[in-house]
Amino acid sequence: AQSVTQLGSHVSVSEGALVLLRCNYSSSVPPYLFWYVQYPNQGLQLLLKYTTGATLVKGINGFEAEFKKSETSFHLTKPSAHMSDAAEYFCAVSEGSSASKIIFGSGTRLSIRP
Amino acid sequence: GAVVSQHPSRVICKSGTSVKIECRSLDFQATTMFWYRQFPKQSLMLMATSNEGSKATYEQGVEKDKFLINHASLTLSTLTVTSAHPEDSSFYICSAETGRGHGYTFGSGTRLTVV
Repeated sequence: AQSVTQLGSHVSVSEGALVLLRCNYSSSVPPYLFWYVQYPNQGLQLLLKYTTGATLVKGINGFEAEFKKSETSFHLTKPSAHMSDAAEYFCAVSEGSSASKIIFGSGTRLSIRP
Repeated sequence: GAVVSQHPSRVICKSGTSVKIECRSLDFQATTMFWYRQFPKQSLMLMATSNEGSKATYEQGVEKDKFLINHASLTLSTLTVTSAHPEDSSFYICSAETGRGHGYTFGSGTRLTVV
């Protein structure tokens, strides 16, 4: 069985500061890992994903994440926060095969202070 | 590309009635779609996996007779909430695997309110 743990249900940073959202996963098979962003009353938008290959993955809006197998982590970072980054962020894992289901973490709400 | 259209975006219905939510893949064929439910300020909980031309696979604890899923074509999956009750009020989101580098695209969600 797969699972995802997001540490910190709420993270607050100042505009321009580093954003770090933590995600640890559990999977019995090589995982595919995802970060999604959700704005209020909207669906999910893919920020980035790791499938195979390079462990440092760059996504949209300046976000990136690094797959660390030894730490079973896939933390999301952004060097400089922008007010528009305020949203809910979900880390997710799938089994890595076609059409396998995605399991989501509990989410982290990111707030940006002016 | 890889757009999933979900309709309606909001619906209010009376207790005891049924509501149908549609999820369409607009520019690709989706053999498999997923239905999620999200309570306020919580994560997405997978309800079921919808397979084109066959029965859906429901997650443990999800009532298959209450949440009817039909995936009759490669571009359309529907979720029908039958005999709705106020506790069914939630945000429902569909997703499809696009087959393009293992990407999943999500619909914009449906806010269901049962009164």
